Amino acid sequence: DIVMTQSPDSLAVSLGERATINCKSSQSVLYTSNNKNYLAWYQQKPGQPPKLLIYWASTRESGVPDRFSGSGSGTDFTLTISSLQAEDVAVYYCQQYYSTPPNTFGQGTKLEIK
Amino acid sequence: EVQLVESGGGLVQPGGSLRLSCAASGFTFSSYWMHWVRQAPGKGLVWVSRINSDGSSTSDADSVKGRFTISRDNAKKTLYLQMNSLRAEDTAVYYCARDCGSSDWPGHFDLWGRGTLVTVSS
Repeated sequence: DIVMTQSPDSLAVSLGERATINCKSSQSVLYTSNNKNYLAWYQQKPGQPPKLLIYWASTRESGVPDRFSGSGSGTDFTLTISSLQAEDVAVYYCQQYYSTPPNTFGQGTKLEIK
Repeated sequence: EVQLVESGGGLVQPGGSLRLSCAASGFTFSSYWMHWVRQAPGKGLVWVSRINSDGSSTSDADSVKGRFTISRDNAKKTLYLQMNSLRAEDTAVYYCARDCGSSDWPGHFDLWGRGTLVTVSS
């Protein structure tokens, strides 16, 4: 199974500042035939279900603000929030869908306001 | 409205059974693979089971293999999870989720229900 490891476990950032969350997979999730990374990011606010933010490592889901961006390839990925807003307080999860089952998630990163 | 609505959760004793349902609306349910994902209190997301679009193929996490069974009724637009031999460690919110991948390669989950809480306790 592919293991997904996020860092840090928690993060406190000031409003308007940049937030960066990292995700590392135990093996590459890049499919070289189509040059796509099978990596998604989800946001989960308190008391709510997860919401898809980013897929193919860098494609924003429809309706997701452009302050959210994803980058990386192979085994190392980053979710960046360019200017933190109060409504971005949440837990963020990465997920690989390259080698399934199982669809493995990272342990989550809790983002708070400093 | 495109949505998934779970039901069937509740309090059950260790060793007991429960069947969860997930009603889909607003999209062609029979075209999508579907999943169950669970989240223990204060913990992260854990994939549980998946089923392909016509119900002919399923997969389960090792932790539930032989105890949980995923199924679907495309005519009723409903996904199910039959949970037997329940343990305390199965206590969690159970979410159903839609897979937007292809029939050849399942993908990410673009639609989630609000979840239903299962508590296993004596």
